[in-house]
Amino acid sequence: SQTIHQWPATLVQPVGSPLSLECTVEGTSNPNLYWYRQAAGRGLQLLFYSVGIGQISSEVPQNLSASRPQDRQFILSSKKLLLSDSGFYLCARQEGRESGELFFGEGSRLTVL
Amino acid sequence: GQNIDQPTEMTATEGAIVQINCTYQTSGFNGLFWYQQHAGEAPTFLSYNVLDGLEEKGRFSSFLSRSKGYSYLLLKELQMKDSASYLCAVKDSNYQLIWGAGTKLIIKP
Repeated sequence: SQTIHQWPATLVQPVGSPLSLECTVEGTSNPNLYWYRQAAGRGLQLLFYSVGIGQISSEVPQNLSASRPQDRQFILSSKKLLLSDSGFYLCARQEGRESGELFFGEGSRLTVL
Repeated sequence: GQNIDQPTEMTATEGAIVQINCTYQTSGFNGLFWYQQHAGEAPTFLSYNVLDGLEEKGRFSSFLSRSKGYSYLLLKELQMKDSASYLCAVKDSNYQLIWGAGTKLIIKP
């Protein structure tokens, strides 16, 4: 079966500190992978997506970056966190040849203080 | 600009029926999705509509009218576990998903 894991699940970080969120996918090869952020009361915001190793597309200019060092690994990073970076971060893989629906990891809740 | 509108919150009674509406204005259309999201958890896929009409899946049904830019999610025989947020998302002409802010559904006994 295909699964998607994210960690850490919860993170509290001071402003200006670095960030690294990891996402790994099992049971599939060359998946399309996505990083979303969900702020309270708002829709999901696409941050990055990747169609393959080393291929990253950024949707929103910000102090975040993403990398895909391996086919099944997608990493979200920041060198210096801002208060506005707080939110629920979701990694997703695309499923469904016809519809292309997304399957999400468990999510990582980040609080920047 | 692109826009997805859903009611912020709805309340319904256990055992009843509820309809959650979604209207959209997007640059192109390549399908509409409904997701369920319980508090503190990730969204899970419920349904996909690309053609006009009703898609039924157990207690849940989803309707689409492309000419009206409108969809609804119909939940029958409501159970307490249906208390969650319901997210509407549209795939635009670039095959990117545009998300609504979600409708929080509260089920009362």
